[in-house]
Amino acid sequence: QKEVEQNSGPLSVPEGAIASLNCTYSDRVSQSFFWYRQYSGKSPELIMSIYSNGDKEDGRFTAQLNKASQYVSLLIRDSQPSDSATYLCAVIDFGNEKLTFGTGTRLTIIP
Amino acid sequence: DAMVIQNPRYQVTQFGKPVTLSCSQTLNHNVMYWYQQKSSQAPKLLFHYYDKDFNNEADTPDNFQSRRPNTSFCFLDIRSPGLGDAAMYLCATSRDVGDRRGNEQFFGPGTRLTVL
Repeated sequence: QKEVEQNSGPLSVPEGAIASLNCTYSDRVSQSFFWYRQYSGKSPELIMSIYSNGDKEDGRFTAQLNKASQYVSLLIRDSQPSDSATYLCAVIDFGNEKLTFGTGTRLTIIP
Repeated sequence: DAMVIQNPRYQVTQFGKPVTLSCSQTLNHNVMYWYQQKSSQAPKLLFHYYDKDFNNEADTPDNFQSRRPNTSFCFLDIRSPGLGDAAMYLCATSRDVGDRRGNEQFFGPGTRLTVL
């Protein structure tokens, strides 16, 4: 059974620092990888998608994918208090329309 | 703006009283999903529609049913809600056209269900 693992945290990072969130997955056929941000009481919001090995940058966010080691990470530069949320890692097999979620990492940015 | 809309945002029902949650989308996506999310847990997939094809998860209780009358709308029916069904119910959509970008799922704001 496919598993996606994340450190549940809480992860506390000072404002302005880099927050690093990690995710490992068990299924080598996983092809698409996503990071969702979820504020307390709100629904998940897609913030990054990554499909190929390497880095993908979008503003303050960088997703990193290493398929050989089966991990995907999310870096948040210049962390802001508004980044405080739970971050969900999700993976999907190509041609499969179902996501497998990790349990999420709760991130707190300390002013 | 194209979006996923859920109604109501908050629903209070009594134990055993049927309830229907609705989801609509203006994204013209062909896949629609229903998730249940409880506090501090990941979203749990209940079922999804790929176009008109209904796909039930093996562990989804029979108490949960779904209807998709057209591309834009999808409903979640809980026939006899129990206290354990209190949760956030999330609708999501994706445009699965055989490429990787089609795997991206976009969530509605959710419906918070309270069972008294």
